[in-house]
Amino acid sequence: GAVVSQHPSRVICKSGTSVKIECRSLDFQATTMFWYRQFPKQSLMLMATSNEGSKATYEQGVEKDKFLINHASLTLSTLTVTSAHPEDSSFYICSAVTSGDTDTQYFGPGTRLTVL
Amino acid sequence: ILNVEQSPQSLHVQEGDSTNFTCSFPSSNFYALHWYRWETAKSPEALFVMTLNGDEKKKGRISATLNTKEGYSYLYIKGSQPEDSATYLCAPTGGSYIPTFGRGTSLIVHP
Repeated sequence: GAVVSQHPSRVICKSGTSVKIECRSLDFQATTMFWYRQFPKQSLMLMATSNEGSKATYEQGVEKDKFLINHASLTLSTLTVTSAHPEDSSFYICSAVTSGDTDTQYFGPGTRLTVL
Repeated sequence: ILNVEQSPQSLHVQEGDSTNFTCSFPSSNFYALHWYRWETAKSPEALFVMTLNGDEKKKGRISATLNTKEGYSYLYIKGSQPEDSATYLCAPTGGSYIPTFGRGTSLIVHP
């Protein structure tokens, strides 16, 4: 149980385009989802916390207009990288927690974004 | 955001060796600590969550201890196997209840 999918796993796009990444909890309802970004050889950096039906809470330094997060249902959160630039190239990974287990995060497999 | 240090950054061992690595974190305002295991091309997987000083958790050949007073946790692997090769992440949680991840320890077990 507690499976999280993430789509796409890899995306290459041109500079200036927008990219949407989906994070789904397949067999549980996720009251909260987290979005992380990882630079090479660095730790997972929390970008934002997303609660179903409310606005996401962004970490300091993360542009909310650049990284749009929508958590429309208890099983789906999306991250849209708007007007992507090469510096947005990174590994993005989501996680979800259940209403009955607020500590353990269940992670998706991640998305490798390359902006040309 | 907590200052989390994991050491060593990487570790190469032979099959059958036992090994351990460290996670250091601020001891003040501690809530919980998670260990995750992240195999290449897979999702990070939760190993343990520990909350109390002196906690010890065990899962097969892997065990972990927690010292909240001095701010560290050890992860031990007994008799390492090639399938133990992964990056091991620790993530302590402070007053904000949002975990902060360390950079991880990359373990490679050679057959």
